[in-house]
Amino acid sequence: DTAVSQTPKYLVTQMGNDKSIKCEQNLGHDTMYWYKQDSKKFLKIMFSYNNKELIINETVPNRFSPKSPDKAHLNLHINSLELGDSAVYFCASNLLGQGHGYTFGSGTRLTVV
Amino acid sequence: GESVGLHLPTLSVQEGDNSIINCAYSNSASDYFIWYKQESGKGPQFIIDIRSNMDKRQGQRVTVLLNKTVKHLSLQIAATQPGDSAVYFCADEEEGTYKYIFGTGTRLKVLA
Repeated sequence: DTAVSQTPKYLVTQMGNDKSIKCEQNLGHDTMYWYKQDSKKFLKIMFSYNNKELIINETVPNRFSPKSPDKAHLNLHINSLELGDSAVYFCASNLLGQGHGYTFGSGTRLTVV
Repeated sequence: GESVGLHLPTLSVQEGDNSIINCAYSNSASDYFIWYKQESGKGPQFIIDIRSNMDKRQGQRVTVLLNKTVKHLSLQIAATQPGDSAVYFCADEEEGTYKYIFGTGTRLKVLA
């Protein structure tokens, strides 16, 4: 009965590979987000989808491509992984404009070697 | 919130004491503010929020104070417990942008 679930929890891969992270929420929220947390714990927004429409697209390399098949799912595909992509990636969701905080997933720790 | 440096500030408090965690934000158009708690290996968890038309809001053992004049937010935790040990983040949202900007974070260590 996890509210926001991400898979995998850990991902170790070599430079140059392509990988995907999946996120699903069962809260009935209409908006989902991807945040990146670096080694110094700084959280930075990457993307957001509202009802499958992209509404936030921060300055992120185009190697990162989000995809939302429906409002309960938001996946993140990363091409040609680089060392600097190593971080913890958090998925989050909320009801847009309702003035409530996000519900976060437990994170995916990506390590590029 | 804003990125105020490269080093995560740490606050150490004795169990049972009150804790005060501070945050500065930079966007004067921000109208909604949230405090999150992140325990090791977990995602950030909502603690308390406040809108810009208020200057104080209380929850269970936590109080958030907002000073819009100096763009400052604080989180007060009463009777700090070992379970309060975590990294605390403030986040702010400018109305209509639909994104929260997170501050650097403060690590709270509770000493037994």
